[in-house]
Amino acid sequence: GAVVSQHPSWVICKSGTSVKIECRSLDFQATTMFWYRQFPKQSLMLMATSNEGSKATYEQGVEKDKFLINHASLTLSTLTVTSAHPEDSSFYICSATWDRVTGELFFGEGSRLTVL
Amino acid sequence: GQQLNQSPQSMFIQEGEDVSMNCTSSSIFNTWLWYKQDPGEGPVLLIALYKAGELTSNGRLTAQFGITRKDSFLNISASIPSDVGIYFCAGANFGNEKLTFGTGTRLTIIP
Repeated sequence: GAVVSQHPSWVICKSGTSVKIECRSLDFQATTMFWYRQFPKQSLMLMATSNEGSKATYEQGVEKDKFLINHASLTLSTLTVTSAHPEDSSFYICSATWDRVTGELFFGEGSRLTVL
Repeated sequence: GQQLNQSPQSMFIQEGEDVSMNCTSSSIFNTWLWYKQDPGEGPVLLIALYKAGELTSNGRLTAQFGITRKDSFLNISASIPSDVGIYFCAGANFGNEKLTFGTGTRLTIIP
């Protein structure tokens, strides 16, 4: 079964509203989670690294005031897209942990955001 | 952000054919990973490579970690319909969980 779960899977919102996406580790604690964005027919691009109990680290070109990340517990990180606009429409995917035995980084199922 | 160059961008093959795709980077990684992504879902790990020159198989899939640590390839033998999807390479450095993804190869099987 899935070890990282995202919610919601799909969200449609009006331009100017804020949307929150949750990423949960189901059976392990994750001090670090990662948020990726994937535009249609493109690769995954890392947006930010979410650190439990401290500020997120954003990649160059990602607006931290627009994409608010909160990692308040060891099993939950949230990404809030504030004042969403149509160009924010994308597939947002989180990942957690790094299994140093198998090398697997577990990904969530993804959340598709459509801003009208 | 940085992306790895992956080729080909798209492949159209017949069922039963072998597939080969590769990934190159301008910088060195000490770990190479290959993922498959189905529409509307997150990536799923296929093969992980940890050592330069390493050749690893997972069923019909074979991947190699280039000796220069700047490239990797993935081969799929005797393709089947469920192989359809987008394949991504990813590079990482052990101890740093951040992945850098390739541009993706979209595999389509022609009936």
